[in-house]
Amino acid sequence: AQTVTQSQPEMSVQEAETVTLSCTYDTSESDYYLFWYKQPPSRQMILVIRQEAYKQQNATENRFSVNFQKAAKSFSLKISDSQLGDAAMYFCAYRSSSGTASKLTFGTGTRLQVTL
Amino acid sequence: DGGITQSPKYLFRKEGQNVTLSCEQNLNHDAMYWYRQDPGQGLRLIYYSQIVNDFQKGDIAEGYSVSREKKESFPLTVTSAQKNPTAFYLCASSITGGASEQYFGPGTRLTVT
Repeated sequence: AQTVTQSQPEMSVQEAETVTLSCTYDTSESDYYLFWYKQPPSRQMILVIRQEAYKQQNATENRFSVNFQKAAKSFSLKISDSQLGDAAMYFCAYRSSSGTASKLTFGTGTRLQVTL
Repeated sequence: DGGITQSPKYLFRKEGQNVTLSCEQNLNHDAMYWYRQDPGQGLRLIYYSQIVNDFQKGDIAEGYSVSREKKESFPLTVTSAQKNPTAFYLCASSITGGASEQYFGPGTRLTVT
């Protein structure tokens, strides 16, 4: 079974600075998908960014980018120019590409605080 | 507006009672999912369904039941057999296959006393 580990329960960043959230995963598969979801205080889960394992290029979405290291099974999220609205829980998630089931395996999350 | 609705937002029940949580989507997605969220444990999959009249157990299905009679609806019943039912429950839906994302509802906070 796949597992996802987020080793930083809490992180803090100053507004306008850059922060990196860590995520590692364990799998024997060669093809899969990785996601970062954000859960603000409203508790609504929102997709931040996704990465297909077969793509070498790291995904980027505006201020959000990932560092995907397939051999190391690492998938970190970098948030640039942090804003107060970035304060939330961030979850890393894994999805197998085999079969049609799209079920996700989540990490335990990292709570990000953004300070002035 | 397309999306997923869960009702109610807060639900209170006495121990020993079954309770059903509602989840409806108008995104025309084939797949639907139920997750449980506890502090410090992330989201854990309870049940999922890829098509009407079919569903599979997730990682923590004991004490829960589901039905999928319509594409739009995937209700979750928390039975009296669930030992620790108090939690935040999230419903999601997606298309099947590819790098498809899951879209989440706003969640239901269930408290059993």
